[in-house]
Amino acid sequence: DIVMTQSPESLAVSLGERAAINCKSSQSVLDDSNNKNYLAWYRQKPGQPPELLIFWASTRKSGVPDRFSGSGSGTDFTLTISSLQAEDVALYYCQQYFNTPLTFGPGTKVDFK
Amino acid sequence: QVQLQESGPGLVKPSEALSLTCTVSGGTVYNYFWSWVRQAPGKGLEWIGYIYHNGTTNYSPSLESRVTISVDTPNNQFSLKLSSLTTADTGVYYCARGRMSLVYWGPGTLVVVS
Repeated sequence: DIVMTQSPESLAVSLGERAAINCKSSQSVLDDSNNKNYLAWYRQKPGQPPELLIFWASTRKSGVPDRFSGSGSGTDFTLTISSLQAEDVALYYCQQYFNTPLTFGPGTKVDFK
Repeated sequence: QVQLQESGPGLVKPSEALSLTCTVSGGTVYNYFWSWVRQAPGKGLEWIGYIYHNGTTNYSPSLESRVTISVDTPNNQFSLKLSSLTTADTGVYYCARGRMSLVYWGPGTLVVVS
């Protein structure tokens, strides 16, 4: 199985400030044949299901605000929230879909400072 | 807009089997993969498995011996059966569309094994 790790476990950011979450996979999730990274990011608000934000490591799902961006390749990835809004207080998960079983990171909790 | 809704018992006894159904509305089960994901209380997300509309399945190795996922195309539903339950199977069970990134999710249903 591909093991996903995330850092930090939690972070506190002021409203309007930048937040960055790191995700690392135990092996590369880059497919050299199509140059795609098989990595997604989700936001999970309390009491709600996860919501897909980013797929292919950097492609925003339609309707997702452009303050969310994804970057990275191979084994190291970052989700950046450029200007934290109230609705962004949540847990964030990365997920690889390079191999089955699909695996998720342990989550990063984002809160207000 | 595609919507998913899980249904099934909220309380199951240890050693018994869990059966959940996911009903898809606003779209069809045809030509898509459908997944089950669970989340233990206060914990992270665990993928259980997926099914294609033709019945092709792929299960997590850690659960494969106890899991069956099936699809009911006429009723636009797919189902999860998990046998030999223990308290470690307590959690929220989600159905979702996809076998890579999971685009649409149901609201989840809490299953307590006790």
